[in-house]
Amino acid sequence: DGGITQSPKYLFRKEGQNVTLSCEQNLNHDAMYWYRQDPGQGLRLIYYSQIVNDFQKGDIAEGYSVSREKKESFPLTVTSAQKNPTAFYLCASSIQAATNEKLFFGSGTQLSVL
Amino acid sequence: EDQVTQSPEALRLQEGESSSLNCSYTVSGLRGLFWYRQDPGKGPEFLFTLYSAGEEKEKERLKATLTKKESFLHITAPKPEDSATYLCAVHPTSSNTGKLIFGQGTTLQVKP
Repeated sequence: DGGITQSPKYLFRKEGQNVTLSCEQNLNHDAMYWYRQDPGQGLRLIYYSQIVNDFQKGDIAEGYSVSREKKESFPLTVTSAQKNPTAFYLCASSIQAATNEKLFFGSGTQLSVL
Repeated sequence: EDQVTQSPEALRLQEGESSSLNCSYTVSGLRGLFWYRQDPGKGPEFLFTLYSAGEEKEKERLKATLTKKESFLHITAPKPEDSATYLCAVHPTSSNTGKLIFGQGTTLQVKP
């Protein structure tokens, strides 16, 4: 079945440590996104990519980095510069970013600080 | 500034008790409005897309409607399995990158 796979499901970060969240899709979608979800708040866009080897900052990119070396993969690194990383992270994809297409979401990664 | 507000934040219903969730939006122009369902600890699951005022879509016990300022998600005779958080999102015309603006969600609990 086609879909988006996020791993790990749970991740713990020590102070000063960088951690990487994995996102893989087999939907052949061009566009991929990373959202952050905090309790009682709407999803906020961290980074998005419309095509391989290209990505743009979203609303809350500080303290995060991404890469898009393959169409299927869009990993997110939470750096030590992100002082409040505890949140639920969601990866999503759509056929194309410029069209009015629905987003398909992965099952999420819960990141917590030790 | 483009904005999306959902109400109420939480809603408790008895099984069979119909109700509506509201999504109010302020955007310069609307490309589309999306409804998602999210179960605890999981990613959102797509329900509906609405494009223009007056449009309606249905799926089982759910019906979504759209006006120029808001959207409603009507739940008819809900069952406990309808318990979830319902998210509303808009795709404004100011965005040509697929960026959606999400509301904070309405958490629905349906008791048997």
